[in-house]
Amino acid sequence: GEDVEQSLFLSVREGDSSVINCTYTDSSSTYLYWYKQEPGAGLQLLTYIFSNMDMKQDQRLTVLLNKKDKHLSLRIADTQTGDSAIYFCADYNAGNNRKLIWGLGTSLAVNP
Amino acid sequence: DTAVSQTPKYLVTQMGNDKSIKCEQNLGHDTMYWYKQDSKKFLKIMFSYNNKELIINETVPNRFSPKSPDKAHLNLHINSLELGDSAVYFCASSQDADQPQHFGDGTRLSIL
Repeated sequence: GEDVEQSLFLSVREGDSSVINCTYTDSSSTYLYWYKQEPGAGLQLLTYIFSNMDMKQDQRLTVLLNKKDKHLSLRIADTQTGDSAIYFCADYNAGNNRKLIWGLGTSLAVNP
Repeated sequence: DTAVSQTPKYLVTQMGNDKSIKCEQNLGHDTMYWYKQDSKKFLKIMFSYNNKELIINETVPNRFSPKSPDKAHLNLHINSLELGDSAVYFCASSQDADQPQHFGDGTRLSIL
């Protein structure tokens, strides 16, 4: 079946940029999503990108999609301690029984 | 004003008991989901309903039975609880399967 992979941990200093990477195997992805999960909370949609786009920017967040390499990244500019959370990448393709394929999540630690 | 609400937030019970978790969404979405998140934060889809019809039924023990009385509600009943059922259960909803999912805050189930 299709797969989504992410590195499990990332540590950055406050004020630096964070880049969280995701690779996927699905050649027919329609949408790719980034979700954020803070400790003890549910998942919050951060942003998503349609597969015919290369880039999407939303305030401090920049999403880059390289369809050829099946690589998705989330860049957080000026990372703050409040950005410490787990970030999940997810891939949607209607052929996958209409369900999202989820990565295992990247735990971002922001150090003061 | 909560978009996706689940009750209870915490559920502590003994092995062998039967319990239910309720979920309601006020977003007017047609699709609802149940996910299980284990202690390693791995997120696994369990069920999905579209307009009260079951569309995703992953490999889940038949002790788990979802019920959707209307498209705004999706409840999860679990029979004969086992230690391995300890997890956080998330309800989510979306307008359609390819649209962003909105998550509840989760139900933390602990089996003694």
